[in-house]
Amino acid sequence: GNSVTQMEGPVTLSEEAFLTINCTYTATGYPSLFWYVQYPGEGLQLLLKATKADDKGSNKGFEATYRKETTSFHLEKGSVQVSDSAVYFCALDAGADSWGKLQFGAGTQVVVTP
Amino acid sequence: NAGVTQTPKFQVLKTGQSMTLQCAQDMNHEYMSWYRQDPGMGLRLIHYSVGAGITDQGEVPNGYNVSRSTTEDFPLRLLSAAPSQTSVYFCASKRSSNYGYTFGSGTRLTVV
Repeated sequence: GNSVTQMEGPVTLSEEAFLTINCTYTATGYPSLFWYVQYPGEGLQLLLKATKADDKGSNKGFEATYRKETTSFHLEKGSVQVSDSAVYFCALDAGADSWGKLQFGAGTQVVVTP
Repeated sequence: NAGVTQTPKFQVLKTGQSMTLQCAQDMNHEYMSWYRQDPGMGLRLIHYSVGAGITDQGEVPNGYNVSRSTTEDFPLRLLSAAPSQTSVYFCASKRSSNYGYTFGSGTRLTVV
């Protein structure tokens, strides 16, 4: 079956540090890949997505590249801010056969200190 | 647009009680889903729908019912609440397969 594995947290960083959150997946076919962010007490927000191999999704300074050869979709940001403190979820949609179902990773908590 | 609206935001139930969590979207999205979020377990799919009149079970459907009589509404019914159903519940909708989901703000349910 489909699955998503992401690095465990919490990840604690100082402001302006470089952030990487690893995400790897297992899926048949050609899934679409997503990163969602959840700020404390809120629902999930779509951060970025990529729908085919070698696509790069980007938003708010975050980037992730869909690497089919390594089945990965790592999230990166060059200089984090305190306001980036949140839980980040990697997710995949397996495509037409999945009927819109999203498979989520367990989430990675990121804490950015001043 | 209001997006995805969930009610109530908080609820406390006694074991054995039933209730309905409401979810409505005003974006004319075909796909809708219910997830529950538990500490350390990410989000798990309860039920989903790909259009009015079409629903199916997700990963953890036991104890829950859904129906989709209109495109806008996708209520989740707890038939007989159990403490194991204490969780945060999220409803989400999207236009079609390659789009990302829009999530509601969640319902925090406690079953005592």
